[in-house]
Amino acid sequence: DTEVTQTPKHLVMGMTNKKSLKCEQHMGHRAMYWYKQKAKKPPELMFVYSYEKLSINESVPSRFSPECPNSSLLNLHLHALQPEDSALYLCASSQDTPHDSWATQYFGPGTRLTVL
Amino acid sequence: EDKVVQSPLSLVVHEGDTVTLNCSYEVTNFRSLLWYKQEKKAPTFLFMLTSSGIEKKSGRLSSILDKKELSSILNITATQTGDSAIYLCAVEGVSGGSNYKLTFGKGTLLTVNP
Repeated sequence: DTEVTQTPKHLVMGMTNKKSLKCEQHMGHRAMYWYKQKAKKPPELMFVYSYEKLSINESVPSRFSPECPNSSLLNLHLHALQPEDSALYLCASSQDTPHDSWATQYFGPGTRLTVL
Repeated sequence: EDKVVQSPLSLVVHEGDTVTLNCSYEVTNFRSLLWYKQEKKAPTFLFMLTSSGIEKKSGRLSSILDKKELSSILNITATQTGDSAIYLCAVEGVSGGSNYKLTFGKGTLLTVNP
C-alpha cells in the first residue's frame, strides 16, 4: 500500500455543523500533515503530527481541531466554520519527521470542503 | 524568512513547444528542492534535487539545480495538452531550531493549447 487516502472526497456543511475529515496511510510513515489549499494557490501548512504528537500548529483557528488516534490515522474536526474556510484540505505523510526532513511528503487526493 | 519565487506566474504555449520554468530561493540551511505538478487534485511529486549541476530526467521533463545561483529550472520538451497544470517548486530548509520546513513557491500556471 503506497498511498494516502482521504474521506470524504467532498463535504458541504453549514456554519453551525460539526464534521470530521479523515486521513489514513499504511506506509509506516512517522509524520502526517494537514494542508489547506485555495484555488490556484500552493498548499498552506496547518498542522504536523510527528510520532502521533502534534509538533507544529501554524496558528490555525481553534475551529479546526486535529486528532491523531494512532500512527496510521489523522482526523481534522471542524466546528463553526466560516465560508472563507471553503477550500481543498490535503493530508500528507512522510517517512521522516520535520525534525529530520520535510522532503518527500506524499499527498492524499484531498477533501473539497464547502461551507455555506 | 524563507522565500521561494517562481517565474513566470503563468505561461501559454502551443503543443510541441519547449518550456522552461524557473525557481529561485532564499532558504536557511538548504536541504533539497522539489518540483510538483498540480492538476485538479493534490500535487504529484516530480523531482527532488539536492546536488548542483546534476540533471534529473523523467520522459519529456527534466530539471537541474544551481546552488551558486540559488535556483532551479524545470524543462518540458514537446509539450502536450496533458502538461497543462500548475507547477510548484518547494524548497526544504530549516525553520526554528532544528526543524525542517517545506516552503512552496506560488507556482507557474502552464497552459498548453492544441
